[in-house]
Amino acid sequence: NAGVTQTPKFQVLKTGQSMTLQCAQDMNHNSMYWYRQDPGMGLRLIYYSASEGTTDKGEVPNGYNVSRLNKREFSLRLESAAPSQTSVYFCASSPPGTGFYGYTFGSGTRLTVV
Amino acid sequence: RKEVEQDPGPFNVPEGATVAFNCTYSNSASQSFFWYRQDCRKEPKLLMSVYSSGNEDGRFTAQLNRASQYISLLIRDSKLSDSATYLCVVRLYNFNKFYFGSGTKLNVKP
Repeated sequence: NAGVTQTPKFQVLKTGQSMTLQCAQDMNHNSMYWYRQDPGMGLRLIYYSASEGTTDKGEVPNGYNVSRLNKREFSLRLESAAPSQTSVYFCASSPPGTGFYGYTFGSGTRLTVV
Repeated sequence: RKEVEQDPGPFNVPEGATVAFNCTYSNSASQSFFWYRQDCRKEPKLLMSVYSSGNEDGRFTAQLNRASQYISLLIRDSKLSDSATYLCVVRLYNFNKFYFGSGTKLNVKP
């Protein structure tokens, strides 16, 4: 059982280049999320998708777009990368309903924009 | 004001020590609470949920104080392997969002 799979694990981009970070989960979770983690800032929500077909902005959406392709997959696109987007990006998913269900995270994508 | 605040530490403790972390949250509508553990350069992993009545999992005890809006994590008999960053997380049910603290770093030394 793979859980949450992110690709690529590492990427170096030049300023202005575009790329898409891929995320897939095999746990039949409804909700999926993209976070970025910067030193001293903790994890900040970029976008989330409460269910297939819906997406919403999080705390830091500027410079990013997302696509919830199907229940399994949620991609994050950087249209024109900037050095400020150098970060570690984590995808996560969570099951439906309330209660004491936390996230399951992917292993992260380390992105450097030069 | 941040939704979730934690003391960043680091907490430097000897093996066998008892250590406690606190975390405060600002939104009284917060419904669910968690502690995550994150090792260096790895993804966060769920350590334990926090129940209203408090709960224990081996050497780890979590407490919730809704009136004062804080949660705590107590680690007894610290092991070298407990060295990590501990993230406090709260969930707002109505918004299906989780908010993370910036983490408290723990170093357990021989």
